[in-house]
Amino acid sequence: DGGITQSPKYLFRKEGQNVTLSCEQNLNHDAMYWYRQDPGQGLRLIYYSQIVNDFQKGDIAEGYSVSREKKESFPLTVTSAQKNPTAFYLCASSMGLVVGDTQYFGPGTRLTVL
Amino acid sequence: KQEVTQIPAALSVPEGENLVLNCSFTDSAIYNLQWFRQDPGKGLTSLLLIQSSQREQTSGRLNASLDKSSGRSTLYIAASQPGDSATYLCAVSRYGGATNKLIFGTGTLLAVQP
Repeated sequence: DGGITQSPKYLFRKEGQNVTLSCEQNLNHDAMYWYRQDPGQGLRLIYYSQIVNDFQKGDIAEGYSVSREKKESFPLTVTSAQKNPTAFYLCASSMGLVVGDTQYFGPGTRLTVL
Repeated sequence: KQEVTQIPAALSVPEGENLVLNCSFTDSAIYNLQWFRQDPGKGLTSLLLIQSSQREQTSGRLNASLDKSSGRSTLYIAASQPGDSATYLCAVSRYGGATNKLIFGTGTLLAVQP
């Protein structure tokens, strides 16, 4: 089964803690993305990666960090510096970063800060 | 700066009715426009993609149109069914952009009553 998996589905974090969200794809895609979705809002881009060991900030990167050590994996760390981390997080991938390459989305992780 | 707006924010219709969802964007220099479906707590599923040179795309009971000059797109759903209940998001890719960045609208929450 080809696709994108995200884990866990639900995540709870205490204030001041870092937490890492997992994203794995077996589509052999070069590009991967992390989006954040808040209630009643569209998706906003956090970070994206074109290739292994390369990643760029999106529109709302503050308080987040990523790594891309393997082509199939793009984990997102929500740090204690993120002031309002409670949200729904979506990972996506595409063949490349060429404009118009179709993005395929994972099922999402809902993060709640207690 | 590209802004994408979707109206209405929520819509409730009886089963069998035809309906139209609206998407507007402020910058007509787009590469393509996509319509996505999102079920509660789930990821995004691509429904239709319209290239900037196209006027419409059809898939089953769905028809999406694009009018770049006026900055508008519509998603027409024929003979609606309760299974169509979901949030519908539109997103545009910026023409000439260096990356495959999608700008999302805020979505329309559709409820089809049996």
